[in-house]
Amino acid sequence: EVQLVESGGGLVQPGGSLRLSCAASGFTFNTYDMTWVRQAPGRGLEWVSAISSGGGNTYYTDSVKGRFTISRDNSKNTLSLQMNSLRAEDTAIYYCAKRTASGWFFDYWGQGTLVTVSS
Amino acid sequence: EIVLTQSPATLSLSPGERATLSCRGSQSVSSYLAWYQQKPGQAPRLLIYDASNRATGIPARFSGSGSGTDFTLIISSLEPEDFAVYYCQQRSNWPLTFGGGTKVEIK
Repeated sequence: EVQLVESGGGLVQPGGSLRLSCAASGFTFNTYDMTWVRQAPGRGLEWVSAISSGGGNTYYTDSVKGRFTISRDNSKNTLSLQMNSLRAEDTAIYYCAKRTASGWFFDYWGQGTLVTVSS
Repeated sequence: EIVLTQSPATLSLSPGERATLSCRGSQSVSSYLAWYQQKPGQAPRLLIYDASNRATGIPARFSGSGSGTDFTLIISSLEPEDFAVYYCQQRSNWPLTFGGGTKVEIK
């Protein structure tokens, strides 16, 4: 059974940093691209970042470029998102998700971890 | 960036009725469009990918169609568990983008 379990969320002050992790199991992690998608309270889904299976290719939405860094450790089946210079508008539930075999859609999702940026 | 516009924002229907949801792109996404269902407090669930292919385990009452800029998700006969928010997503261009969602609520 595929499982994705996020951790690392919490309350952080504006300008602060946080590192999210996603522990993957139940599939061959090192053969699948992965992504982070966020959802602000009461709002819709927003794609944030993605990474190829080997980690060599990374993608970001414009609003987080230069502030967020996606990475993965295939030896530990773990996906990470380092978030720096956090802003109030980064407040959201952050989901990690697995890419489908056929393209950049997402067939398995974690339960999400809440990041709150507030003073 | 490709903007996906979903309509209507809210659809009020009764169980057993047919639901028709629309997703329109600001430019062509070919057939590279997916639909997700999200219930309160839950992660999204993939329903349809590449415009018309049902994901694993998705009931046949869900169907998708369209190409280019105009797409439709049809739920042929609403079950109680289908009342939720539905999002479309394109994978044609970076950045990946989602539509704003359509809430299907019980009338």
